[in-house]
Amino acid sequence: QLQLQESGPGLVKPSETLPLTCNVSGGSINSISYYWSWIRQPPGKGLEWIGSISYSGSTDYNPSLRSRVTISVDTSKNHFSLKLSSVTAADTAVYYCARHITAIGAFDIWGQGTMVTVSS
Amino acid sequence: QSVLTQPPSVSGTPGQRVTISCTGSSSNIGAGYDVHWYKQLPGTDPTLLIYDNHNRPSGVPDRFSGSKSGTSASLAITGLQAEDEADYYCHSHDSRLRGVFGGGTKLTVL
Repeated sequence: QLQLQESGPGLVKPSETLPLTCNVSGGSINSISYYWSWIRQPPGKGLEWIGSISYSGSTDYNPSLRSRVTISVDTSKNHFSLKLSSVTAADTAVYYCARHITAIGAFDIWGQGTMVTVSS
Repeated sequence: QSVLTQPPSVSGTPGQRVTISCTGSSSNIGAGYDVHWYKQLPGTDPTLLIYDNHNRPSGVPDRFSGSKSGTSASLAITGLQAEDEADYYCHSHDSRLRGVFGGGTKLTVL
């Protein structure tokens, strides 16, 4: 059974870059059927899609975050990563990685999420 | 302000039927893009409840159903149970904004 697990620092200073990695286990990231995505949820608020990447490296980003977001994939390590630059307190959130089924457009498998706080 | 509009909260008593609306526009739901629904229990990750407007993943009870018409979609829950108390989110694609979610609806079982 495929599982996703986020990892990264729980605290990032303002203006710095937030780095997260999503490890994919129980299956291969090498599939044309899926995009691999990042979604975040500020405390007490709703979900926000950040961006997605295919196994071949094709990316799609939320226009409101595009200037600060980089998503990459490492098929040899079966993981994908997020970098969010110039963070502010508004970037404090639970960050989820998720599998996006290309054919239907839904996120069918999610990681448990990791809380990232932006504070000095 | 979310691109897809959901009521902040709905409530019902056990056994009742409740519906949650998701209103979009001509650039997302009205453009023909499918709507998906997720259930999120407190402190946990969201789980896929309905995909492609009305389809249920295996394991989701048939008490949950979805529909779509025009620029809106709806999630219906019949035979309401205490375990249904959660936050529910709709999700679709927008031709300009790409992936978009509703603001979420908190369902309270009285």
